[in-house]
Amino acid sequence: AQKITQTQPGMFVQEKEAVTLDCTYDTSDPSYGLFWYKQPSSGEMIFLIYQGSYDQQNATEGRYSLNFQKARKSANLVISASQLGDSAMYFCAMRAASSARQLTFGSGTQLTVLP
Amino acid sequence: ETGVTQTPRHLVMGMTNKKSLKCEQHLGHNAMYWYKQSAKKPLELMFVYNFKEQTENNSVPSRFSPECPNSSHLFLHLHTLQPEDSALYLCASSQQLAASTDTQYFGPGTRLTVL
Repeated sequence: AQKITQTQPGMFVQEKEAVTLDCTYDTSDPSYGLFWYKQPSSGEMIFLIYQGSYDQQNATEGRYSLNFQKARKSANLVISASQLGDSAMYFCAMRAASSARQLTFGSGTQLTVLP
Repeated sequence: ETGVTQTPRHLVMGMTNKKSLKCEQHLGHNAMYWYKQSAKKPLELMFVYNFKEQTENNSVPSRFSPECPNSSHLFLHLHTLQPEDSALYLCASSQQLAASTDTQYFGPGTRLTVL
């Protein structure tokens, strides 16, 4: 079984600063994918970034980067130069090859960007 | 039209009503999903369809009845719901089902309230 843990229920960051949202995962499958999604108050789940378990380099997408530490089983999301529009709920998710139908989500982190 | 669309965005229904949620994806994907997101709970996978065939039913009560007439459309038929069924219902699609690298793209959700 797969498990995702997000230990920060809420985070605050000053506008234009960087912030790291924590995510740890647990799986015995050597092949898996890690995903981050953003959910604003409107409800839509917006895909941000993907990291494969065999990827040698950390994924980056614009202001988003994923700090992937395989030995520690962590996949933290780093948002650089925070903007007010970044205020939202952020979910870490995992999909293992052995149970690819299932995208397992963490409990989420509510990020608030302060002006 | 882009991405994944869902209608209606908001729905209020009584326990004896029958209603349907609609999801449409314009991404050329082959797999579609229904998720339920209740307050303060992780996302729960309800149903999975691959090439119009149902491949997963996560012990969902029979008052929820999915229908997938083609790879682009997914419905969730609702009847005799309970107040605890009030939640955000999210539809998602992905290119292929059995791949850990496959990214799911979500619609904006239908916020359902059962009175």
